[in-house]
Amino acid sequence: GQSLEQPSEVTAVEGAIVQINCTYQTSGFYGLSWYQQHDGGAPTFLSYNALDGLEETGRFSSFLSRSDSYGYLLLQELQMKDSASYFCAVLPGYSSASKIIFGSGTRLSIRP
Amino acid sequence: DVKVTQSSRYLVKRTGEKVFLECVQDMDHENMFWYRQDPGLGLRLIYFSYDVKMKEKGDIPEGYSVSREKKERFSLILESASTNQTSMYLCATPGLSGTDTQYFGPGTRLTVL
Repeated sequence: GQSLEQPSEVTAVEGAIVQINCTYQTSGFYGLSWYQQHDGGAPTFLSYNALDGLEETGRFSSFLSRSDSYGYLLLQELQMKDSASYFCAVLPGYSSASKIIFGSGTRLSIRP
Repeated sequence: DVKVTQSSRYLVKRTGEKVFLECVQDMDHENMFWYRQDPGLGLRLIYFSYDVKMKEKGDIPEGYSVSREKKERFSLILESASTNQTSMYLCATPGLSGTDTQYFGPGTRLTVL
């Protein structure tokens, strides 16, 4: 079947760098997306990789390697407000109408 | 900016009640989605719609129905609410990259007693 795997929890220190990995088993997809969700809130779109390589958006970067079936979200200069859950997601190429698959999410906790 | 709104942030209903959750988007998008989110289970697709009066079942449609009479509005209906439908319900519409990213509404936290 199709699935996305992420670590369930990651802990990091304020000001540091953290990488959240996403590995997938799905045959062909358009791109890899990342979402952030704070407790009690809705997921918000962070970044999207249509092609292999690194995409940078301020303190956040996302990477995709289709040959390795792997992607990651890199958060730099961590701030306390970055404490949230992070989800990766793909739209499988076989999908007839936009049925996106989400990973189960990684809860990022940041210590002072 | 895409705006997706949901009719209620918090809702408390009793078992057996008929429940309507409303979602409105202002970007004239054809696709709209309803998910539920539960701890440890992530986001699960209930139903989606790809045009007015067009709908398709997601992964967990049992106990739910939907209505799309106008392009901007997509309603999720719990015909007879049950306690196992207590959850966070999220509406979404496609984002900047077309169909493979999504903008979510603020969510409705439904409690069924």
